[in-house]
Amino acid sequence: EVQLVETGGGLVQPGRSLRLSCAASGFSFDDYAMQWVRQPPGKGLEWVSGISWNSGSIGYADSVKGRFNISRDNAKNSLYLQMNSLRAEDTALYYCVKGEFGDLRSRWFDPWGQGTLVSVSS
Amino acid sequence: QSALTQPASVSGSPGQSITISCTGTSNDVGSYNLVSWYQQHPGKAPKLIIYEGSKRPSGGSNRFSGSKSGNTASLTISGLQAEDEADYYCFSYAGRDTFVFGTATKVTIL
Repeated sequence: EVQLVETGGGLVQPGRSLRLSCAASGFSFDDYAMQWVRQPPGKGLEWVSGISWNSGSIGYADSVKGRFNISRDNAKNSLYLQMNSLRAEDTALYYCVKGEFGDLRSRWFDPWGQGTLVSVSS
Repeated sequence: QSALTQPASVSGSPGQSITISCTGTSNDVGSYNLVSWYQQHPGKAPKLIIYEGSKRPSGGSNRFSGSKSGNTASLTISGLQAEDEADYYCFSYAGRDTFVFGTATKVTIL
């Protein structure tokens, strides 16, 4: 069974940094593209970033470009999101999502983890 | 990267059919056959219900169907059931390794 477990969320002050992790199990992690998606409390989903199986293709939403960095360690079956210069509007539940195959242009992304909550406030 | 446009809410009675639209541009929905739809119940993670515009994942309910015309994708839910009450999101590839979600549609069963 595919399992995605996000960790690393918490309360952080504006301007500070935080690193999220997603531990994957139940599938060959190094064969699949992965995404980060976030959802502010009571609001809709927002795509944040995606990475192909070999890190050869990486994309970011305009709202996080230059501040966030996605990476993966296939040897550790882990996906990461380094978040710098955090703002109040980055407050959200952050989900890790598995792609259909290795290319970032997968036909679908599923399943999703349960998310880790990031709160940016002074 | 502007969000795709969905109606904020759609409602229907049990057994009826409803359709949710998802309007993008020629840079996203109109250019790629990579539109998917997700269902999200309160407090739960989203779940894939349609991919590549009209295909259902293995084990998915055949009461969900999808289509696309030009810059607009649509999701139809037939034979509405109480369990269909949820939020629905469209999702599209937008070129240059980026993606975009729709603005969410809350489905209410009357």
